[in-house]
Amino acid sequence: DTAVSQTPKYLVTQMGNDKSIKCEQNLGHDTMYWYKQDSKKFLKIMFSYNNKELIINETVPNRFSPKSPDKAHLNLHINSLELGDSAVYFCASSQGGGFYGYTFGSGTRLTVV
Amino acid sequence: EDQVTQSPEALRLQEGESSSLNCSYTVSGLRGLFWYRQDPGKGPEFLFTLYSAGEEKEKERLKATLTKKESFLHITAPKPEDSATYLCAVTSAGSARQLTFGSGTQLTVLP
Repeated sequence: DTAVSQTPKYLVTQMGNDKSIKCEQNLGHDTMYWYKQDSKKFLKIMFSYNNKELIINETVPNRFSPKSPDKAHLNLHINSLELGDSAVYFCASSQGGGFYGYTFGSGTRLTVV
Repeated sequence: EDQVTQSPEALRLQEGESSSLNCSYTVSGLRGLFWYRQDPGKGPEFLFTLYSAGEEKEKERLKATLTKKESFLHITAPKPEDSATYLCAVTSAGSARQLTFGSGTQLTVLP
C-alpha cells in the first residue's frame, strides 16, 4: 500500500491552462504539505494543512490554491499556468509537527510549454 | 530565517571508500535536524532525526552526528546502491511545522 500517493505523476500542459494535482495519505497523519522542488533540487514549502486547516501559506502566487476536503487529502489547484511553474511538486504528511519525520509522495513533474 | 547549507554538491566515491557529507545550519532554536535520501524520480525517504548536539544515529552503513552548528552523514564502505541525493533539513522553534531543506549532496558510488 502506498502511504502518500499523488496523481498524476507527469503533467504537461500549455501556458494559461488550469490544472490540479491530487494527494492522498493512508497513514492517519494529521498534517499534510505541498513542497516544490526546482531544477536545482531545492525543496521549498508552499502550504501546510493540519486537520483540514491551513497553517502555513508561504509566499506563492495566488494562482496556487490548496484544498483539503478531509485530513487524508490535500489537492493543489493551479490557475493560469506559467513557464516558471515547471517543477516537481511533492505532497508530504506527518503526525503533528513532523518531529519523527515526514513521508513524501513520489512527486508530480509539471512541465508548462 | 532558517538556513541550511550542504557540501559538497556532488561526491564520487569508489565502492568501499568511506567519506562524510556536511550539513551546516543556522536556526533560532533547533527542534530537529533530518536526513533524507532521494533517488531519481522519487520523493525523499526519511533516514534520521537528530534533536540535540552530541546525538548520533546509525542505519546500516550510515551514521549521522550533530553539533550545535552542523551535522555529518558518515558513509562507511559504501556500495553502488547507496548512490542517491542526500538531503538535510531542519525545523526550528520559529518554524515548527515546516522543514527547511538544503540543496543536497549527490552521491555516486562507483563499483
